[in-house]
Amino acid sequence: KQEVTQIPAALSVPEGENLVLNCSFTDSAIYNLQWFRQDPGKGLTSLLLIQSSQREQTSGRLNASLDKSSGRSTLYIAASQPGDSATYLCAGNAGNMLTFGGGTRLMVKP
Amino acid sequence: SQTIHQWPATLVQPVGSPLSLECTVEGTSNPNLYWYRQAAGRGLQLLFYSVGIGQISSEVPQNLSASRPQDRQFILSSKKLLLSDSGFYLCAWSPGLANYNEQFFGPGTRLTVL
Repeated sequence: KQEVTQIPAALSVPEGENLVLNCSFTDSAIYNLQWFRQDPGKGLTSLLLIQSSQREQTSGRLNASLDKSSGRSTLYIAASQPGDSATYLCAGNAGNMLTFGGGTRLMVKP
Repeated sequence: SQTIHQWPATLVQPVGSPLSLECTVEGTSNPNLYWYRQAAGRGLQLLFYSVGIGQISSEVPQNLSASRPQDRQFILSSKKLLLSDSGFYLCAWSPGLANYNEQFFGPGTRLTVL
């Protein structure tokens, strides 16, 4: 059974810092890994999708990497802004089923 | 472009009452559809998924059921709500025919059972 863990559970940084969010999964037999953003009381916004054959994906200030052999993914946020404050979730896709981590709650202080 | 709608946005129901949550997708055909629940302290959990009309798979035993009466409509139901059914319910879709596609989520329904 796939288990996904995210560390840290919460993170507070000053504006402008570069930061890394970590995601680890127990079963490397995944089709892809997806990173989401969730604002309080809202649905999930898909940020990046990394297929199992890929090692990283980039979108603007976001870069996500995937290392299947070690069961790890990271989300790198460059030059953080207060608008980046949200909960970030990673999820492994093992076929018609996303298994989510518990999320990292990020606060970027002005 | 594709959009996904959920209603109602919020719902407060007494224990033992019935439930019907609706999800519709626009701008695509033959999507895979999913119901997830996000409960306090338990994270996001897949409840049901559907790869076509009338085809429902359940991931966990529970007090809820799902139906897909039309290609782009997914309904979550219960005959009698329990306190433990409280949570944030999210519907999602992905392009069909493959199980490695990106999933897109709706705005969610906040359900409180009193």
